[in-house]
Amino acid sequence: KQEVTQIPAALSVPEGENLVLNCSFTDSAIYNLQWFRQDPGKGLTSLLLIQSSQREQTSGRLNASLDKSSGRSTLYIAASQPGDSATYLCAASITGTASKLTFGTGTRLQVML
Amino acid sequence: DGGITQSPKYLFRKEGQNVTLSCEQNLNHDAMYWYRQDPGQGLRLIYYSQIVNDFQKGDIAEGYSVSREKKESFPLTVTSAQKNPTAFYLCASSKIQGYTEAFFGQGTRLTVV
Repeated sequence: KQEVTQIPAALSVPEGENLVLNCSFTDSAIYNLQWFRQDPGKGLTSLLLIQSSQREQTSGRLNASLDKSSGRSTLYIAASQPGDSATYLCAASITGTASKLTFGTGTRLQVML
Repeated sequence: DGGITQSPKYLFRKEGQNVTLSCEQNLNHDAMYWYRQDPGQGLRLIYYSQIVNDFQKGDIAEGYSVSREKKESFPLTVTSAQKNPTAFYLCASSKIQGYTEAFFGQGTRLTVV
């Protein structure tokens, strides 16, 4: 059974800092890995999806990488802004159940002025 | 605009009542999902459906029921058998093959009164 872990659970950084959020998974037969953002009381917003054949994806100030052999994905946020403050969730699906996601518990990010 | 619509945003249930949460999508996605989110925990899968008139139990299906009579709609009923229904419920949809990026609704917060 796929298990997904995110460390740290919470992170506080000053504005402008570059930061890395970590996600690890136990089953390397991964189909894809998706990163989401969640604001308090809201639904999830998809940020990036990395398919198993890819090593990274970029969108604006965000870059996500995938290393299947080590069971890890990272989300890199460049030049962080107060508007980036939210909870970031990663989710993995495995081959055979391509669309069924297993979620980590998230990293709560606060970017301070 | 394409997307997923959940209603209502807030729902209150009395002890012993069944309540139904609505989820509609206009993304032409084959798969739809219901997740439950509790404070400090990741999203847990309740039910999912990959085709009309078919659905599968997720990790925490007890006390819940679903139907998939139309591709666009996947309502969730929280029955009186669910002993701890107070939670944030999220509906999602995706393709089932290829680029299976999942999109989420804005959620329904259910409270037992």
